[in-house]
Amino acid sequence: GAVVSQHPSWVICKSGTSVKIECRSLDFQATTMFWYRQFPKQSLMLMATSNEGSKATYEQGVEKDKFLINHASLTLSTLTVTSAHPEDSSFYICSAVAGGSGGYNEQFFGPGTRLTVL
Amino acid sequence: EDQVTQSPEALRLQEGESSSLNCSYTVSGLRGLFWYRQDPGKGPEFLFTLYSAGEEKEKERLKATLTKKESFLHITAPKPEDSATYLCAVQPISSGSARQLTFGSGTQLTVLP
Repeated sequence: GAVVSQHPSWVICKSGTSVKIECRSLDFQATTMFWYRQFPKQSLMLMATSNEGSKATYEQGVEKDKFLINHASLTLSTLTVTSAHPEDSSFYICSAVAGGSGGYNEQFFGPGTRLTVL
Repeated sequence: EDQVTQSPEALRLQEGESSSLNCSYTVSGLRGLFWYRQDPGKGPEFLFTLYSAGEEKEKERLKATLTKKESFLHITAPKPEDSATYLCAVQPISSGSARQLTFGSGTQLTVLP
């Protein structure tokens, strides 16, 4: 299957600092990538849709000025958590859409990034 | 509003004890239904995509089926390494070219040796 990587796999930062998370599609080009967050024992919640070369589309309730998304190339999207606070601590997961059979495209997920804000 | 409900929330099986996980969905128009496996602290791993009622797909001990209202993930003679959380997600036609997924809350499967 298609491979998606994330970096870093975990990060600990102080409150008020900014953290950048990278998502890369390693063996395919992804015009669309998605960013999710997942709290313990809960399912994935879509934060935003990232399209190469255009502005990201954010889900209702997600602060676009706090979670900056850049999709500068067909293989790289970045999520920057600005002025992070303890309530931003979570597991952040990206996914990328690869071409599938019949025109329906599967999403392949990265391994996730554990963010802890002290 | 699109909704995905998975049951049971948790399931404990003895090794070799077959069972099924359920995913009920409500969507205005279904483009595809996806099953993923997620291990603790890791991202979801793609298992299957189902597109139309009556479709079935198999992979090792797993078999996924789809009707107009629900999908089942059948696990035959499970092994301890099948222990994980299994996630179901729907992709509605209304998602258009964006292709967003709506996830269920998952079924946490534990297979005891």
